[in-house]
Amino acid sequence: NAGVTQTPKFRVLKTGQSMTLLCAQDMNHEYMYWYRQDPGMGLRLIHYSVGEGTTAKGEVPDGYNVSRLKKQNFLLGLESAAPSQTSVYFCASSDQPLGGTYTDTQYFGPGTRLTVL
Amino acid sequence: DAKTTQPTSMDCAEGRAANLPCNHSTISGNEYVYWYRQIHSQGPQYIIHGLKNNETNEMASLIITEDRKSSTLILPHATLRDTAVYYCIVRVTDSWGKLQFGAGTQVVVTP
Repeated sequence: NAGVTQTPKFRVLKTGQSMTLLCAQDMNHEYMYWYRQDPGMGLRLIHYSVGEGTTAKGEVPDGYNVSRLKKQNFLLGLESAAPSQTSVYFCASSDQPLGGTYTDTQYFGPGTRLTVL
Repeated sequence: DAKTTQPTSMDCAEGRAANLPCNHSTISGNEYVYWYRQIHSQGPQYIIHGLKNNETNEMASLIITEDRKSSTLILPHATLRDTAVYYCIVRVTDSWGKLQFGAGTQVVVTP
């Protein structure tokens, strides 16, 4: 199993350009997440999905859109990139909580380093 | 949501046990304590989690106090590869998984 993979690994954009980050997981997980991490800080949740065809906003969703057309893929889009979106983006996935308890474990990808000039 | 407090940094000698404290005094009865770590430039990695009993796996041990207001992650024999930022997280009680990462503890293992 490859686990969680992310493409691309690095990208440099100019202000106003658009791009899509791809996250793929081969663990058949229902839940997928996009986080961003700024220097010296913890991760912040951007958007998440609890299943194919569903998405929801996280803590810092402004300026981003997401889609989950296939269970194994979760796309993060930047329609008009801004320098404030310079960050490292991490994707994660987890399985459903079992038996009503909250014991899921999240598996993270290696990250995408995005710089917006 | 229960918040956590961790020391900013700590050093540990290679081969010795590393004891990482975490305070979570406002934890609710059905909230779990999770530990993740992040090695430089990599994605976070799950270590261990627990509710109220002590837990152990191949990576670490988790000791939770009886009142659940604090916990300690123990790396029994620290190696240089254990140098990382360690995050103590109390799980938000939604019906799905959401982790709130704080600043964590920077652990440096020295030879």
